[in-house]
Amino acid sequence: EIVLTQSPGTLSLSPGERATLSCRASQSVSSSYLAWYQQKRGQAPRLLIYGASSRATGIPDRFSGSGSGTDFALTISRLEPEDFAVYYCQQYASSPLTFGGGTKVEIK
Amino acid sequence: QVQLVQSGAEVRKPGASVKVSCRASGYTFTNYAIHWVRQAPGQRLEWMGWIHGGDGNTKSSQKFQDRVTFTRDKSASTAYMELSSLRSEDTAFFYCARGGNYGDLWGQGTLVTVSP
Repeated sequence: EIVLTQSPGTLSLSPGERATLSCRASQSVSSSYLAWYQQKRGQAPRLLIYGASSRATGIPDRFSGSGSGTDFALTISRLEPEDFAVYYCQQYASSPLTFGGGTKVEIK
Repeated sequence: QVQLVQSGAEVRKPGASVKVSCRASGYTFTNYAIHWVRQAPGQRLEWMGWIHGGDGNTKSSQKFQDRVTFTRDKSASTAYMELSSLRSEDTAFFYCARGGNYGDLWGQGTLVTVSP
């Protein structure tokens, strides 16, 4: 089973700042089969990124994904008030599909 | 409107079973799989398995395979997840999600509470 470790656990930033979230895999994620989701309190997750770097439909271009192998990142170029939430990475290269523990982006 | 709508909250006693439904609309149900994901309070998302809307093929996570059953009703564009032998640790939100291997469309979640 591929274990995903996200860091930091919490990121305290102000609107307008840049956020960089990390997702590290316990073994290589083949073909960059990695996705990122945003989850706000009381809501279902929303797909942001798939294939490590492809934005899902309707996702603003301030969200970008990068990385390959075992190291991946989600960058939010300029935080908007609606971006403060929890973010999860997920690998779908091998079964079982697994999720990281999440990074909470909170208002500083 | 493209959406997944799940059934309402449930309360069960330990040892009982629960069946959660996920009704699809606005797209061709038989073209996609439906995944099921569990999220216990304050915990990470946990993949349980999937069922294909078309051929009904299923795959379960080893963690749940002895207790979970996935079914679907093509005529109703609805997928079901039944979890048996419930224990307190199963108190969680259960989500359905459409997709091949990642979820591009999610249901609103169903809270299942397991309590004596």
